Amino acid sequence: AQSVAQPEDQVNVAEGNPLTVKCTYSVSGNPYLFWYVQYPNRGLQFLLKYITGDNLVKGSYGFEAEFNKSQTSFHLKKPSALVSDSALYFCAVRAWGKTGFQKLVFGTGTRLLVSP
Amino acid sequence: NAGVTQTPKFRVLKTGQSMTLLCAQDMNHEYMYWYRQDPGMGLRLIHYSVGEGTTAKGEVPDGYNVSRLKKQNFLLGLESAAPSQTSVYFCASTRDSEAFFGQGTRLTVV
Repeated sequence: AQSVAQPEDQVNVAEGNPLTVKCTYSVSGNPYLFWYVQYPNRGLQFLLKYITGDNLVKGSYGFEAEFNKSQTSFHLKKPSALVSDSALYFCAVRAWGKTGFQKLVFGTGTRLLVSP
Repeated sequence: NAGVTQTPKFRVLKTGQSMTLLCAQDMNHEYMYWYRQDPGMGLRLIHYSVGEGTTAKGEVPDGYNVSRLKKQNFLLGLESAAPSQTSVYFCASTRDSEAFFGQGTRLTVV
């Protein structure tokens, strides 16, 4: 099955500390991987994506993600967390439906709480 | 720069009523999607469309129908609403697999 897993429902970190939000994937072929962020009462916003190339991908708001093929992981990271980073984060993978059309499959989300 | 617009933003339905959610995008994207978001379950794909006149079922299509008569619009219909369809519904369109989301529709079925 084509899927992503986010093993942590919530991640707590103090402001100024580094943060990591975990994601592992299961997909056949080369993965297209994404991170999205959702602020309260809003739709999801694109953060970054990995398609090919450098395993370290840089995105919006100082976030980056590391693609690890051997561990089938795509963890989201930030060197120094801000209180304003508190939000719900979703990992996603491009998958293929039975009809051959592409679709995006999302994980269950990880709530990031950054304390002052 | 409207992007993806969903209407309505909120709705309360009685069990058995019908309604249509409208999604409109002005980015000329081929792919459009309807997801529902429920606590602890993330986003689950209901139906999607790969172009005008073409739709496909997602993970949780039962109880929903869709239509894509115009490229810019993707409609999600509930023929006979059930309490289990209480959720937040998101529409998205994609370019190069990057998704652009609407603000969501909060639907409550009582």
